[in-house]
Amino acid sequence: RKEVEQDPGPFNVPEGATVAFNCTYSNSASQSFFWYRQDCRKEPKLLMSVYSSGNEDGRFTAQLNRASQYISLLIRDSKLSDSATYLCVVTRNYGQNFVFGPGTRLSVLP
Amino acid sequence: DVKVTQSSRYLVKRTGEKVFLECVQDMDHENMFWYRQDPGLGLRLIYFSYDVKMKEKGDIPEGYSVSREKKERFSLILESASTNQTSMYLCAAQGEPYEQYFGPGTRLTVT
Repeated sequence: RKEVEQDPGPFNVPEGATVAFNCTYSNSASQSFFWYRQDCRKEPKLLMSVYSSGNEDGRFTAQLNRASQYISLLIRDSKLSDSATYLCVVTRNYGQNFVFGPGTRLSVLP
Repeated sequence: DVKVTQSSRYLVKRTGEKVFLECVQDMDHENMFWYRQDPGLGLRLIYFSYDVKMKEKGDIPEGYSVSREKKERFSLILESASTNQTSMYLCAAQGEPYEQYFGPGTRLTVT
């Protein structure tokens, strides 16, 4: 089993839709969690950290469920510019190493 | 913003050649990383470094080595390139608390 798993998609949604991605991780010792965004042929960039209490940044909401070992990302009111691959990331070794999921591809259609 | 640069965007090498991929960061970050990214597999950690002259193996170090002689520079070396090392290589520097800043990547093709 991979350490971090994601549905690869693609998720094709119309503008304005709400879309949710889930990610599961296998290492219960993971301490920190993130969502990164990667545009086509570009490098990954941090979208947001994920906290146990859940956190929101504008149209984006991230949730962490430690008991079930999954992380979610909700995007409301999707924009064309949200089209990208979303990478789920967990840390191990006391935060020294990042483990990246394979990514979920989102296409927002006009 | 942290800027991470990589020496080449595209590289084509022959099997058996020695390949150097260079990465430079413009901040004073101690932690630097080399990943490769392949379709369906995501980013996989090759090597990382916490400080000058320090290096640690990641998940897939076989066939690779690294060098960190200066804090800002972290090099990845393919001692004898093979076709299964054709990939996108990404370097990252880690800021506080945990954000990783990536370079633009080097797409390496080994023929």
